[in-house]
Amino acid sequence: AQKITQTQPGMFVQEKEAVTLDCTYDTSDPSYGLFWYKQPSSGEMIFLIYQGSYDQQNATEGRYSLNFQKARKSANLVISASQLGDSAMYFCAMREGPGNQFYFGTGTSLTVIP
Amino acid sequence: DVKVTQSSRYLVKRTGEKVFLECVQDMDHENMFWYRQDPGLGLRLIYFSYDVKMKEKGDIPEGYSVSREKKERFSLILESASTNQTSMYLCAIQLGRVTEAFFGQGTRLTVV
Repeated sequence: AQKITQTQPGMFVQEKEAVTLDCTYDTSDPSYGLFWYKQPSSGEMIFLIYQGSYDQQNATEGRYSLNFQKARKSANLVISASQLGDSAMYFCAMREGPGNQFYFGTGTSLTVIP
Repeated sequence: DVKVTQSSRYLVKRTGEKVFLECVQDMDHENMFWYRQDPGLGLRLIYFSYDVKMKEKGDIPEGYSVSREKKERFSLILESASTNQTSMYLCAIQLGRVTEAFFGQGTRLTVV
């Protein structure tokens, strides 16, 4: 079974609008971490936001927030007030296990339209 | 700043060659990872290491091996390169259990 599932291969959003990128995960480990990364066309992987499995509140970092629904095993990324520079690939990832393995989803390509 | 350096940005090798991809970190961190990234497949874990001389298989270890003789260096080895190993290879380190992974700039390998 896939550890991380991202069902949206591509998304479009109007500039200044909010957008939600979906992510579901699968683990039996009670202690895990969820991450979102941005990969622009330059190829670098940029860390955006982190949510721990025991965190009670949803993580926020500037215009990024993580909608964490533990019972549904979902960790959606919400980007508010989209900017043209937000156009990129976005990857959801999970860290779990004694070796702290990082597992990634297949990514969502976001295009912000002026 | 955390620095993860991969030895080459672009590499072209012939089928059957033995290929070494090097990853060096400037921090004293245990956890290091090798991924390959392919369109539509995301990042897939090849191998990881949580200490010197320790290695664990990821999801797609076939055709690869790794070496970690020193803490700062984690090498990915393609024993006999094949065209289906043409891909982007990313090295990452993790600083601690609750922190994010930091990535190198990637090596785009083409096997001809």
